[in-house]
Amino acid sequence: DAKTTQPPSMDCAEGRAANLPCNHSTISGNEYVYWYRQIHSQGPQYIIHGLKNNETNEMASLIITEDRKSSTLILPHATLRDTAVYYCILKTSYDKVIFGPGTSLSVIP
Amino acid sequence: DAGVIQSPRHEVTEMGQEVTLRCKPISGHNSLFWYRQTMMRGLELLIYFNNNVPIDDSGMPEDRFSAKMPNASFSTLKIQPSEPRDSAVYFCASSLGLGQGASGANVLTFGAGSRLTVL
Repeated sequence: DAKTTQPPSMDCAEGRAANLPCNHSTISGNEYVYWYRQIHSQGPQYIIHGLKNNETNEMASLIITEDRKSSTLILPHATLRDTAVYYCILKTSYDKVIFGPGTSLSVIP
Repeated sequence: DAGVIQSPRHEVTEMGQEVTLRCKPISGHNSLFWYRQTMMRGLELLIYFNNNVPIDDSGMPEDRFSAKMPNASFSTLKIQPSEPRDSAVYFCASSLGLGQGASGANVLTFGAGSRLTVL
């Protein structure tokens, strides 16, 4: 059974922020929220992860709601190279990484 | 580090032939994962190793598939005999051992994949 729910596709204008939602209403206390992306024909690439607090790195920001039942990945200034499938994944420290269908993000010029 | 290295990048073979895919993980990583990706089924985890030992092979589709990790720097995924439905992109990924990353997290680094076509 899928642990996360993501919209199948989204569009974003180039230069604007891309906000990708993820619902995980049954998240456990020891499960992290991970985001990966897969650009066409390439292997998946790690973006960011978090447990409770919001996180930011050079690629993106991760906003996790206080009840941890949903999160949002934010790409602050989307470029054409950000067109990819984005995967939201829950896992504990000891879990294997299981990919769902993800969200296909298209950045439009 | 050169990252996770997979070979061959492309393989075209005929039904019934043996196929061997190879993977060199990142030095220092002690967990290795094999995934398969198709349009119909998405990314599927086939098997993973920790310290060269297979931990979970529940994703291996059938006995025609086998994987080995003879040492920390090399793994193979073998299909014998191959069938057209095995056509897919096969990815290898490596990470620090489960539970051993910073904050208990462990991040996968993927190779570029091996695209297999079985005619």
